[in-house]
Amino acid sequence: EIVLTQSPGTLSLSPGERATLSCRASQSVSSSFLAWYQQKPGQAPRLLIYGASSRATGIPDRFSGSGSGTDFTLTISRLEPEDFAVYYCQHYGSSPHYTFGQGTKLEIK
Amino acid sequence: EVQLVESGGGLVQPGDSLRLSCAASGFTFSSYSMNWVRQAPGKGLEWVSYISSSSSTIYYADSVKGRFTISRDNAKNSLYLQMNSLRTEDTAVYYCAREGYYYDSRAYYYFDYWGQGTLVTVSS
Repeated sequence: EIVLTQSPGTLSLSPGERATLSCRASQSVSSSFLAWYQQKPGQAPRLLIYGASSRATGIPDRFSGSGSGTDFTLTISRLEPEDFAVYYCQHYGSSPHYTFGQGTKLEIK
Repeated sequence: EVQLVESGGGLVQPGDSLRLSCAASGFTFSSYSMNWVRQAPGKGLEWVSYISSSSSTIYYADSVKGRFTISRDNAKNSLYLQMNSLRTEDTAVYYCAREGYYYDSRAYYYFDYWGQGTLVTVSS
């Protein structure tokens, strides 16, 4: 069973700063099966990145994903006020079929 | 416009049953696999169950296996989750989510559309 561990648990930054969020898998995974989501309070999650580095439709280019093997990163180049939210990584696998990380809360400093 | 609308949530007692529905529109429902994902209050996302487009393949999280049953009716563009023997730890917002896919030299899978969720509260 693959476990995804996200760090940090909470990240405090100011608008305009760069955010780097980490997702580490307990064993090597295919990057094509790694996705990132954003969730704001009271809302459903929104797909940001699939295949570790491909932006979903309508996602601003300040969001980027990278990584391979066990280490993946979501980077937000210049934080906008609307980017403060919780971010989850997700893996598509065999058993369980899907796994989520525990989330990183990005809060305004 | 793709829309997923969940319904059927509510307050039930431990041991009770509940059936959730997800009405899909704006896309060819029968061409997509679907999932249920839940989120306990103040907690993270937990994948619950998967059903392929033709219902031929079904998966469950260990936490619900043997108690929950996923199904779909492609003629009605609807997804269902029958939840039996409910426990207090099943309390959560339940989302239906479409499994998007993309193929080039590799296959990519992700949840590209989500419903707004329906709250299930299990309490005595």
